[in-house]
Amino acid sequence: GAGVSQTPSNKVTEKGKYVELRCDPISGHTALYWYRQSLGQGPEFLIYFQGTGAADDSGLPNDRFFAVRPEGSVSTLKIQRTERGDSAVYLCASSSDGLTEQYFGPGTRLTVT
Amino acid sequence: AQTVTQSQPEMSVQEAETVTLSCTYDTSESNYYLFWYKQPPSRQMILVIRQEAYKQQNATENRFSVNFQKAAKSFSLKISDSQLGDTAMYFCAFMKGSGGSNYKLTFGKGTLLTVNP
Repeated sequence: GAGVSQTPSNKVTEKGKYVELRCDPISGHTALYWYRQSLGQGPEFLIYFQGTGAADDSGLPNDRFFAVRPEGSVSTLKIQRTERGDSAVYLCASSSDGLTEQYFGPGTRLTVT
Repeated sequence: AQTVTQSQPEMSVQEAETVTLSCTYDTSESNYYLFWYKQPPSRQMILVIRQEAYKQQNATENRFSVNFQKAAKSFSLKISDSQLGDTAMYFCAFMKGSGGSNYKLTFGKGTLLTVNP
């Protein structure tokens, strides 16, 4: 079956602009995660959804970052007033119940100029 | 909070030889899981191997095996018969296993492994 997909693959935006990054998890997976991977680093947790609700958003760096998952499937990560420090690869992962293997998407590389 | 440390930023190995990647972690949890993920240039994170902390037996997946030392909080990955396709970044990761918890992964900084022909 299809894996986790993320769109766009790459996004270049100007400082101060608003961006949306989309994640389409594996069908039937209730748990969904967003991670951010800066250059030369391991991924860092941003937010975790169980179904439609954000069960843990403690990794979001500030209130410019927000994520939704309105129907318990597709999720959108939204970044307002982007800053150059937001440049990174944003990874999405899903798992069937939160305890088993997390399957990762290919990520969105965000570049803020 | 949990921390994961990978002390080898880069390693190289000759094709068909064996290499070991190191990982240490710090936690006060008694129930947890440890993982090794592989990230090739395509950026896709791929699970290599998983270890439950309550299991004493080291996990093995074909050419990949771990040496899990719970008391020392060490979790190294051994790759046998290295292949060119093993060239990638390797990340060690930790996940709490407590019921009702957020099952987020905490990653180390990674080790870049290059397999030379």
